[in-house]
Amino acid sequence: GQNIDQPTEMTATEGAIVQINCTYQTSGFNGLFWYQQHAGEAPTFLSYNVLDGLEEKGRFSSFLSRSKGYSYLLLKELQMKDSASYLCAVSPTTDSWGKLQFGAGTQVVVTP
Amino acid sequence: DAGVIQSPRHEVTEMGQEVTLRCKPISGHDYLFWYRQTMMRGLELLIYFNNNVPIDDSGMPEDRFSAKMPNASFSTLKIQPSEPRDSAVYFCASSLKGEDYGYTFGSGTRLTVV
Repeated sequence: GQNIDQPTEMTATEGAIVQINCTYQTSGFNGLFWYQQHAGEAPTFLSYNVLDGLEEKGRFSSFLSRSKGYSYLLLKELQMKDSASYLCAVSPTTDSWGKLQFGAGTQVVVTP
Repeated sequence: DAGVIQSPRHEVTEMGQEVTLRCKPISGHDYLFWYRQTMMRGLELLIYFNNNVPIDDSGMPEDRFSAKMPNASFSTLKIQPSEPRDSAVYFCASSLKGEDYGYTFGSGTRLTVV
């Protein structure tokens, strides 16, 4: 079956670093996405990994290990506006590009 | 571009009534998705289209749900009759094959069935 696991909630202090882990077991793999979702809003794209390694975009970085079925999202220099839910999503098969399966999301709470 | 446009933003209806949700994808995108989000189940894929053709509707809960995409710029999701357990936020998203930025989501329709 398909399974995507991530922690339910994480709390960190403004200015700190937080790492959100995601493990997945899917029938196939065609890429892993991270989305950010603020309360009451739509998810917005943060990052995409299809090859092993680290992708860096400003304060946000995402890592992928396909052999381990593992990814993490690293948020540096946390700001209050980073308080949101972070969703890990996997594209499971190459013949249905775009059919993403989402994890339940990790609620990040940034405190002053 | 105005992004993915959904209407209405909020819908409150009585059980048994028909509900129609609307979506206008980003111009040029060839995939359109309907998702439902609840606290209990998270984001669930209901159905998706490629070039206006339904590809996978295995996530549609039951026959009360139907979706159409009559052209590249419009899609509807209909629930008839609606039930309280259908209460959720319904998101429409569109994407372009080959682009590595995933989906662009609409703002969602918050449906409450009383």
